[in-house]
Amino acid sequence: AQKITQTQPGMFVQEKEAVTLDCTYDTSDQSYGLFWYKQPSSGEMIFLIYQGSYDEQNATEGRYSLNFQKARKSANLVISASQLGDSAMYFCAMRSGTGGTSYGKLTFGQGTILTVHP
Amino acid sequence: GAVVSQHPSWVICKSGTSVKIECRSLDFQATTMFWYRQFPKQSLMLMATSNEGSKATYEQGVEKDKFLINHASLTLSTLTVTSAHPEDSSFYICSAEEFFGPGTRLTVL
Repeated sequence: AQKITQTQPGMFVQEKEAVTLDCTYDTSDQSYGLFWYKQPSSGEMIFLIYQGSYDEQNATEGRYSLNFQKARKSANLVISASQLGDSAMYFCAMRSGTGGTSYGKLTFGQGTILTVHP
Repeated sequence: GAVVSQHPSWVICKSGTSVKIECRSLDFQATTMFWYRQFPKQSLMLMATSNEGSKATYEQGVEKDKFLINHASLTLSTLTVTSAHPEDSSFYICSAEEFFGPGTRLTVL
């Protein structure tokens, strides 16, 4: 079974500072994918960044980067130069890389509420 | 990126009625879609996997007769909450590939 753990229920950061949101995972699959999503108060799930288990480079997308440490089974999200609009719930998720009907479904962590202060 | 739409965005209904929620992939075909449920300030819980042309696969504890899923085409999956009760009130959200619809907030009176 797969499991995602986000140990920070809430995080606070000053505007323009960087912040790291923690995510650890557990899986017996050799191939898997890791995702980060942002969920503002409107409820929509906004896809931020993806890291494949075989990717050697850490993924980056604009101000978002994923600090992937495979041996530690961690996939922390780093947001640089925080903005007020970054305040939201953030979810880490994992997708099994195996085929079959289970492929594609995501297992989510508990989420971290990020608050950016001016 | 790819877009997934969901309709309606919110619905209020009386207890005992059925509610249908549509999920569409707008610019790509999706043989598989997923339906999640989310309670306030909690994580997303997978309800079922919707497979085009075949029966949906439900997660343990999800009543398949309560939550009917139909994946009629490569771009449309529907979730019908049958005989809805107040405890079914929740945020329902679908996904295709890594993209999510905007969600449907269901309130059952």
